[in-house]
Amino acid sequence: GDSVTQMEGPVTLSEEAFLTINCTYTATGYPSLFWYVQYPGEGLQLLLKATKADDKGSNKGFEATYRKETTSFHLEKGSVQVSDSAVYFCALRSSASKIIFGSGTRLSIRP
Amino acid sequence: DTAVSQTPKYLVTQMGNDKSIKCEQNLGHDTMYWYKQDSKKFLKIMFSYNNKELIINETVPNRFSPKSPDKAHLNLHINSLELGDSAVYFCASSLTLGGNTEAFFGQGTRLTVV
Repeated sequence: GDSVTQMEGPVTLSEEAFLTINCTYTATGYPSLFWYVQYPGEGLQLLLKATKADDKGSNKGFEATYRKETTSFHLEKGSVQVSDSAVYFCALRSSASKIIFGSGTRLSIRP
Repeated sequence: DTAVSQTPKYLVTQMGNDKSIKCEQNLGHDTMYWYKQDSKKFLKIMFSYNNKELIINETVPNRFSPKSPDKAHLNLHINSLELGDSAVYFCASSLTLGGNTEAFFGQGTRLTVV
């Protein structure tokens, strides 16, 4: 079945460092891909999305490009801030219309 | 003006009790979901409804019974609560069942069974 694999955390970086969180997927057809962020004690918020191959989603300095050839959707940010500390989830909308999530990556940013 | 709201936010109850969690969305979406998040933050879909009709039931024990009185509401009733039911339960909605639509999530209900 469809699935999402993302790098295990926790990831700890210093402020202004470059961030990459890897995400790969397995799916039939052409799923839509998402990154969600969960701040402590809150629900999930959509960070960005891409709906077809080579699309780039971007928001709040974060970017991810839909790479069909490598079935990947890696999240990047050029300069992280303390306020980016959260859990990040990669997800896809499957052919069965479910939204399937990866296991989440906890990100901590040191001042 | 919260888009997806669920109540209560916290629920502490004893094993064997029956409890309900309510969810409402004011986005005019057709599709609603329940997800369970365990202590390791893993999110698993439990149910999805489209226009009040059950679409997905992910091998959830039949102690869990969702009810959708209209397409803006999806409540979750749990009978005979067990310790393993302790988790955060999230309600979500999306414009439609398929396509490229994202889901909007509520703030979660932290259920603790003691």
